[in-house]
Amino acid sequence: DSGVTQTPKHLITATGQRVTLRCSPRSGDLSVYWYQQSLDQGLQFLIQYYNGEERAKGNILERFSAQQFPDLHSELNLSSLELGDSALYFCASSPPGSSGTQYFGPGTRLLVL
Amino acid sequence: AQSVTQPDIHITVSEGASLELRCNYSYGATPYLFWYVQSPGQGLQLLLKYFSGDTLVQGIKGFEAEFKRSQSSFNLRKPSVHWSDAAEYFCAVGAQTGANNLFFGTGTRLTVIP
Repeated sequence: DSGVTQTPKHLITATGQRVTLRCSPRSGDLSVYWYQQSLDQGLQFLIQYYNGEERAKGNILERFSAQQFPDLHSELNLSSLELGDSALYFCASSPPGSSGTQYFGPGTRLLVL
Repeated sequence: AQSVTQPDIHITVSEGASLELRCNYSYGATPYLFWYVQSPGQGLQLLLKYFSGDTLVQGIKGFEAEFKRSQSSFNLRKPSVHWSDAAEYFCAVGAQTGANNLFFGTGTRLTVIP
């Protein structure tokens, strides 16, 4: 158990819908990262937040957005969902001064029908 | 641009045999290097990491990896594989400065036969 929690574990929805994935980092970790794992794209970095502010952006679609709240939990919002958005979404957190060591949550498996 | 290559998509070894998983990276400077393991339906667990110093690093579950700057490689090894090691293994690189998100290889799936 990494100490990073993600909810829900599974999510099934329809095309065109909007969903919110939630992540709670390990106690004391200020950075939260979101990654997408799909069969065709592999593991891809989406976005990073540090202490409430966006720090880095990767291959995140405009239909996707994220935020980190004052209690440091983070949410990833996916809207206008398409079949191709079906994937495993991971959240990771890292403590300050950890040189980028990231601890991953169990993931949320999203299925868009 | 950063990239990570894991040339072996799938490896099968017998229980008790030695294991080496290959990882090559492309990066403008010395990166941070990581190996993660993913069991079916699970998240990624950190096996080991290299930041600097001794190029041979020890990790959990009896794994080790060696950083070879001249070959841009960071291969993962284990002297004797256990059936519970069957999983997907990912090599990743991260920047030492600035944004430190990870770039992952495509993974190597390890099958262990009795």
